[in-house]
Amino acid sequence: GENVEQHPSTLSVQEGDSAVIKCTYSDSASNYFPWYKQELGKRPQLIIDIRSNVGEKKDQRIAVTLNKTAKHFSLHITETQPEDSAVYFCAAKTGGFKTIFGAGTRLFVKA
Amino acid sequence: EAGVTQFPSHSVIEKGQTVTLRCDPISGHDNLYWYRRVMGKEIKFLLHFVKESKQDESGMPNNRFLAERTGGTYSTLKVQPAELEDSGVYFCASSQDNPSGLAGIPPRETQYFGPGTRLLVL
Repeated sequence: GENVEQHPSTLSVQEGDSAVIKCTYSDSASNYFPWYKQELGKRPQLIIDIRSNVGEKKDQRIAVTLNKTAKHFSLHITETQPEDSAVYFCAAKTGGFKTIFGAGTRLFVKA
Repeated sequence: EAGVTQFPSHSVIEKGQTVTLRCDPISGHDNLYWYRRVMGKEIKFLLHFVKESKQDESGMPNNRFLAERTGGTYSTLKVQPAELEDSGVYFCASSQDNPSGLAGIPPRETQYFGPGTRLLVL
């Protein structure tokens, strides 16, 4: 069935360093790839998304890249700050409305 | 604009009991989704409503789970009888119906999540 693999499960970086989270998806019909951030005790919130007709998208310190041929996409956070610490989820939306999520990456940014 | 709300925030029940979770989507959002996250695993899709109709319920684990959205507004998810493996965080999300991504309006894919209901079955 459809699935999304996300790596790493835990990532610890020093403040100011970059963080990269990688995901692969199985359904080649997937056309929309959102990333959600869930801070402790809060709801998941959309931070950036990319569509299948775009290879890269950037929003200030975060960027997402998509390689449709290889069926993988990545989240890049530059100049990390302690408030970036959270669980990040990648997801892929299939042809309909169904969205498949990865297992999450717990990011720790050490001050 | 008020966000997606869920009730209760926490529920602790014994195996065999019944629990009903409620979700109030953002006003005007036709699409409503239920998800579940078991500790350390993915946010797993359960089902999707468009207004009052079930569009896709392929993720519902079994017939102990019943979701309704009478009137196309709020939704309930009932688990009866609850089993230990039903424990987890149940999220609800909603999205607008904006197929063209009209300027100033998020496209239909943008889902807004509720805070979740943490269910513990003992």
